[in-house]
Amino acid sequence: GAVVSQHPSRVICKSGTSVKIECRSLDFQATTMFWYRQFPKQSLMLMATSNEGSKATYEQGVEKDKFLINHASLTLSTLTVTSAHPEDSSFYICSARGPGGSRVDTQYFGPGTRLTVL
Amino acid sequence: AQSVAQPEDQVNVAEGNPLTVKCTYSVSGNPYLFWYVQYPNRGLQFLLKYITGDNLVKGSYGFEAEFNKSQTSFHLKKPSALVSDSALYFCAVRDMTGGFKTIFGAGTRLFVKA
Repeated sequence: GAVVSQHPSRVICKSGTSVKIECRSLDFQATTMFWYRQFPKQSLMLMATSNEGSKATYEQGVEKDKFLINHASLTLSTLTVTSAHPEDSSFYICSARGPGGSRVDTQYFGPGTRLTVL
Repeated sequence: AQSVAQPEDQVNVAEGNPLTVKCTYSVSGNPYLFWYVQYPNRGLQFLLKYITGDNLVKGSYGFEAEFNKSQTSFHLKKPSALVSDSALYFCAVRDMTGGFKTIFGAGTRLFVKA
């Protein structure tokens, strides 16, 4: 099946620094990618939806300037957490959806990135 | 306001028995409804989705879900549980009438005993 990778799998950074997380679709072209955040209580929050070559659409309540999303190619999307603070510590998960057709609703998820901000 | 409730933190079922994982929702318009599964040490997997049409939606791994508009429910079901079905299940709803908010339930952990 389709594979989505994330890098890094874990990152620890100091408060005030920026962290970039990469999401790659390894064997298909992803016209749309999604970024989620999973809280310690295990609930998930959709942060934003990005389409290749255009600006990301952020969910209500998500700070656009805080979480910068770039979808520069059909196989790569990046999430940058700017000026990270301890409350940004979380598990970030990306998901990719392929181009049209009957499988358009199938999303493939990356393994997630654990961010810890000290 | 939109909301999704998974009233059970945990569901226990014996292998071979039918399973149900409950989900109820509240949205202002017509919803898109989803089920996802998270296996231990593995990424999230999309199971199924309801947009419109037949109220019974069939998904991956033998799962299905029934959309009930009057009860605002979208319960996940499987006729015969497998031990390998043990995982964390999430229900999600997206209100397509305004904004782009997708709400996830808190998750239900399913344990299937051999």
